[in-house]
Amino acid sequence: DTGVSQNPRHKITKRGQNVTFRCDPISEHNRLYWYRQTLGQGPEFLTYFQNEAQLEKSRLLSDRFSAERPKGSFSTLEIQRTEQGDSAMYLCASSLWISGSGDEQFFGPGTRLTVL
Amino acid sequence: DQQVKQNSPSLSVQEGRISILNCDYTNSMFDYFLWYKKYPAEGPTFLISISSIKDKNEDGRFTVFLNKSAKHLSLHIVPSQPGDSAVYFCAASAKGGSEKLVFGKGMKLTVNP
Repeated sequence: DTGVSQNPRHKITKRGQNVTFRCDPISEHNRLYWYRQTLGQGPEFLTYFQNEAQLEKSRLLSDRFSAERPKGSFSTLEIQRTEQGDSAMYLCASSLWISGSGDEQFFGPGTRLTVL
Repeated sequence: DQQVKQNSPSLSVQEGRISILNCDYTNSMFDYFLWYKKYPAEGPTFLISISSIKDKNEDGRFTVFLNKSAKHLSLHIVPSQPGDSAVYFCAASAKGGSEKLVFGKGMKLTVNP
């Protein structure tokens, strides 16, 4: 399967703990995105990368959130000192961007985080 | 504030009939619009897109119409099939499909056999 993969699919943690999620994009895609979706809402943009560079980070993203894409391939999203309000589905997407044009984003299945 | 609005939370249609899903946006900078479909426990799946230089794009049973002056777009599914039952999200971007997307809240479509 050459789609976007995310691990783990589910994570239950206690408030105050740190969690890390991984996303593996489609191999030839140079852009990688993180979104968060809560119940009854559409996905909400968090951040995105072009290769290793983090191009944009949402103002809604607190300092407890950090994302990396160290080699321009997979990416990790870490949440420190989790809060119950962090409970959500975390979605990763990837796309192929070529200067002057852009392709649609392909989403992974998501990681569902529950903070107790 | 909600820049992309899907004002109807649900729609139910009979198999074989047309489904029309509506979306409104407020940001004049948006120039690219997409529709995604989402089944439970899966990520959103891309359906169809349209650039602001067009007013219609068609792909098989799916057609998207864009009315820039009204800041409104719609997705038509003809004929509707039971497998189309899912949540549909409208999304918009200011610089094309590979920039950050702003999503609506989604609409649940149910196609009855």
